Amino acid sequence: EAGVTQFPSHSVIEKGQTVTLRCDPISGHDNLYWYRRVMGKEIKFLLHFVKESKQDESGMPNNRFLAERTGGTYSTLKVQPAELEDSGVYFCASSHGGQGAVDTQYFGPGTRLTVL
Amino acid sequence: AQSVTQLGSHVSVSEGALVLLRCNYSSSVPPYLFWYVQYPNQGLQLLLKYTSAATLVKGINGFEAEFKKSETSFHLTKPSAHMSDAAEYFCAVTGGNFNKFYFGSGTKLNVKP
Repeated sequence: EAGVTQFPSHSVIEKGQTVTLRCDPISGHDNLYWYRRVMGKEIKFLLHFVKESKQDESGMPNNRFLAERTGGTYSTLKVQPAELEDSGVYFCASSHGGQGAVDTQYFGPGTRLTVL
Repeated sequence: AQSVTQLGSHVSVSEGALVLLRCNYSSSVPPYLFWYVQYPNQGLQLLLKYTSAATLVKGINGFEAEFKKSETSFHLTKPSAHMSDAAEYFCAVTGGNFNKFYFGSGTKLNVKP
């Protein structure tokens, strides 16, 4: 079974540009999450999809971030326009759902975003 | 609200020595606790999880952790470190919203030959 995959692995962009990150969850997983780790600090929750619906987007920093999950399969996270403080590692995770209260989240390798 | 504190951003042990990585949590509801490990250029991998059953939880690769409610701790241990254990370890807690994980800032484990 393939794990969670993320593309690209690294992205270097100029301030003001747009970047789109992609996440492909484990096949059959209804839940998809985005997290971010900035400058070696803690990994912080951004948002949670159940299928194509946003269940919780309380961690999204501001309206420069837009996440989508059309069709309930892969997800994209767009940053437009990018700012210096957006640099960090963006992790995607997925979980099966429907397994009770505690659902193990499986993480991808992350996308390292550098904004210059 | 939930939060996690991991004491020690870097821990160094000799091969064969005890590994102890500390995690303290704060939670306003009964917590569920996790330890993840990240090897270089890989995603986070689940080591073990506490879900209100046995307080001593055994995970993969010989790691275990003990939930101590009175101390609000969930420290990770391994009796004998191996070179392959060198990685970054993250403690996480979830509570009322079981789909929202709160992570600590991570502890990098270095294993010396």
